[in-house]
Amino acid sequence: QQQVKQSPQSLIVQKGGISIINCAYENTAFDYFPWYQQFPGKGPALLIAIRPDVSEKKEGRFTISFNKSAKQFSLHIMDSQPGDSATYFCAASMNSGNTPLVFGKGTRLSVIA
Amino acid sequence: NAGVTQTPKFQVLKTGQSMTLQCAQDMNHNSMYWYRQDPGMGLRLIYYSASEGTTDKGEVPNGYNVSRLNKREFSLRLESAAPSQTSVYFCASKLSRSGANVLTFGAGSRLTVL
Repeated sequence: QQQVKQSPQSLIVQKGGISIINCAYENTAFDYFPWYQQFPGKGPALLIAIRPDVSEKKEGRFTISFNKSAKQFSLHIMDSQPGDSATYFCAASMNSGNTPLVFGKGTRLSVIA
Repeated sequence: NAGVTQTPKFQVLKTGQSMTLQCAQDMNHNSMYWYRQDPGMGLRLIYYSASEGTTDKGEVPNGYNVSRLNKREFSLRLESAAPSQTSVYFCASKLSRSGANVLTFGAGSRLTVL
């Protein structure tokens, strides 16, 4: 049973557009929700993270929206740039992040000029 | 700072051969992890070590063994490689202190089993 479901699998966005990636989870014990960004040939790196006590967190062009009742969270990339082209993973864990992260299957984002 | 270093970066094995993937971190992190990444499957946890001297199974441990050699090093061993173990393997580490929940990943080890 997949604990974190991520969609879409791939996404093509025009430069300057908004990229939106969605994730849903089942385990209500999850209390830490990070997004990781991975460029080809590299390991993933933390992009932004949120805890369920807030509904939104923004860092620059990247925003996480969190809906606790729906058990969903999403990543919005505003003014998408070709340099944002990468694979994005949502993840979740329990105990304030002290249990191992469970990852979604990833979204390959391509931003075209 | 090297961060998390994995060796080798690439390896080709024949079915039934054994090998060990090495991982070392220089950040004084407590917890270390091994994930595998397959197309369309995301990152799946193989084994982890919450602290020196402890190891636990993750989602896909079959066919693998691990050793937490010391605080810095966490190795992953394939005793009898199978084609299903063809994958990219990532080692990661984390400080495991309140408020410090960031995983730092290595660059990956690409393994092909023929």
